Amino acid sequence: GENVEQHPSTLSVQEGDSAVIKCTYSDSASNYFPWYKQELGKRPQLIIDIRSNVGEKKDQRIAVTLNKTAKHFSLHITETQPEDSAVYFCAARQMDSNYQLIWGAGTKLIIKP
Amino acid sequence: DAGVIQSPRHEVTEMGQEVTLRCKPISGHDYLFWYRQTMMRGLELLIYFNNNVPIDDSGMPEDRFSAKMPNASFSTLKIQPSEPRDSAVYFCASRRAGNSVYHPTTDTQYFGPGTRLTVL
Repeated sequence: GENVEQHPSTLSVQEGDSAVIKCTYSDSASNYFPWYKQELGKRPQLIIDIRSNVGEKKDQRIAVTLNKTAKHFSLHITETQPEDSAVYFCAARQMDSNYQLIWGAGTKLIIKP
Repeated sequence: DAGVIQSPRHEVTEMGQEVTLRCKPISGHDYLFWYRQTMMRGLELLIYFNNNVPIDDSGMPEDRFSAKMPNASFSTLKIQPSEPRDSAVYFCASRRAGNSVYHPTTDTQYFGPGTRLTVL
């Protein structure tokens, strides 16, 4: 079955700098890769997703890139702000199990003032 | 839409007691998921339903856990008897059916606010 690995587990960046979180997946048939943000004490919420028919997607300061050959996808946050501090989860959709998401372990992003 | 609704938001109980968590998915959503989140294990999928039918319960930790979905607008997760190691935040999530690569789909899972369970 699908396996998703996420790195790093914790990332600390200076406010205004960029942050990159990377995930690798094992099932080459996976075709949907969302990113969820979970603020402290809150629920996970989708911030951006990408499907296997595109290589990059942007939404203001966040972007996701997908490399199907290498089976990895990354979240990029530019011009980080204090409100970006949260735990970020990546996931991949498993093709052979009713299309359910397989989740990464999460990355705690800390924005230093 | 009010989003996914969960109750209670907080539950404190003593070891051995029965605990029932409740979830109301977003109207029209065909899939319902129960997750457990802890610092040690992260976000774990316990069970999910499609059209009220349990599809995969391989994540349910043991027989003390059970889940039901008697209709499209209500699901319960029950722990009996509860143990201190069950302490966690339990999330319910729902989504619509649809999985086409080439069309805007409904893959997004919408999470409820969670139930923070503490078993003493």
